[in-house]
Amino acid sequence: AQTVTQSQPEMSVQEAETVTLSCTYDTSESDYYLFWYKQPPSRQMILVIRQEAYKQQNATENRFSVNFQKAAKSFSLKISDSQLGDAAMYFCAYRSARYDNDMRFGAGTRLTVKP
Amino acid sequence: DGGITQSPKYLFRKEGQNVTLSCEQNLNHDAMYWYRQDPGQGLRLIYYSQIVNDFQKGDIAEGYSVSREKKESFPLTVTSAQKNPTAFYLCASSIRGDTIYFGEGSWLTVV
Repeated sequence: AQTVTQSQPEMSVQEAETVTLSCTYDTSESDYYLFWYKQPPSRQMILVIRQEAYKQQNATENRFSVNFQKAAKSFSLKISDSQLGDAAMYFCAYRSARYDNDMRFGAGTRLTVKP
Repeated sequence: DGGITQSPKYLFRKEGQNVTLSCEQNLNHDAMYWYRQDPGQGLRLIYYSQIVNDFQKGDIAEGYSVSREKKESFPLTVTSAQKNPTAFYLCASSIRGDTIYFGEGSWLTVV
């Protein structure tokens, strides 16, 4: 089974600074998607960024960007110019492009933003 | 607005009672999912459905049941056989093989 590992249960960043959240995954497939979701205190899961495995270019969404290293099976999230509203749980997720039921989530990283 | 609507937001269940969580989507997605999240934990898949009138068990299906009579709707019933149902439940949908989008979730508490 595919696994997703987030090795940082908690992270902290000063407002306006940059923070990187780590994620590694295990798969034998070549075609898949990777995601970062944000879960604020409201508990809704909000899509932050999406990466297609066959694309070498790293995805970016405004202040959010990823460092996708396919060979190393690493998918880190960089948040630039951190804002108080970025405080949340962040989940890394893997989804097979072939098998609909195969989506795995990491255990999450709780991000605190200090004013 | 397009999206996924879950109801109720908060639900209380008495011992031995079945309860049903509603999930409706107007995104025209074929696939729908139910996840359970316990405090401080990640998400675990309960059931998923790729098409109307078809669904499959996920990792923790015991004590739960679903139906998929319409493309837009995927209700989850928590039966009395589920011994520890207190959790946060998330419904989701997707185009097959692509990004999964989530509803706002439902809290279920046993009283």
